[in-house]
Amino acid sequence: EVHLVESGGGLVQPGGSLRLSCAVSGFTFSNYWMTWVRQAPGKGLEWVANINEDGSHSYYADSVKGRFTISRDNAKNSLYLQMNSLRAEDTALYYCVKDERTAYYLYWGQGTLVTVSS
Amino acid sequence: IVVTQSPLSLPVTPGEPASISCRSSQNLLYNNGYNYLDWYLQKPGKSPQLLIYLGSNRASGVPDRFSGSGSGTDFTLKISKVEAEDVGIYYCLQTLQAPKMFGQGTKVEIK
Repeated sequence: EVHLVESGGGLVQPGGSLRLSCAVSGFTFSNYWMTWVRQAPGKGLEWVANINEDGSHSYYADSVKGRFTISRDNAKNSLYLQMNSLRAEDTALYYCVKDERTAYYLYWGQGTLVTVSS
Repeated sequence: IVVTQSPLSLPVTPGEPASISCRSSQNLLYNNGYNYLDWYLQKPGKSPQLLIYLGSNRASGVPDRFSGSGSGTDFTLKISKVEAEDVGIYYCLQTLQAPKMFGQGTKVEIK
């Protein structure tokens, strides 16, 4: 059974940094693209970033480009999101998502909440 | 690529049909014959769940009252007979190219 468990969320001041992690199990992690999706409180879903199987290629939403970095450790079956220069508008529930054929998202984590506030 | 959903709010009557539209600013039909457009439902307090992938393919376990249609830039999610458990927010998502983008969401609620 596929499991995606996010961690690392919390309260951070504007301008600060945070690193999210996603521990996965139930599938061969190194064979799949992975994605981060976020949802601000009471708002819609926003695609954040994705990364290919070996970590050599990654793509970002314009809203986070240059501030966030997606990475992975296939030996540890883990996905990461390094978030720098955080802003109030980055406050959201961040979901780790397994990418199927870079075409659809069948498995989602439960999310980890990031709050950016002074 | 920008995707635009309508309507943003949809009151429905159980047993009646319902439909949601999603329009893309660019053609989502790839040269492999697939349309890179998905539909998701997010029920209150839950993670989103996949309903339809690659335009018209129903995900495993999704009731057959849900169907996806369309090609190119115009897509539709149809519910043949709405049930009370179908309430939530429906999103389309273009997956043809990064950055990928969700529609604004359509809130479906029972009248």
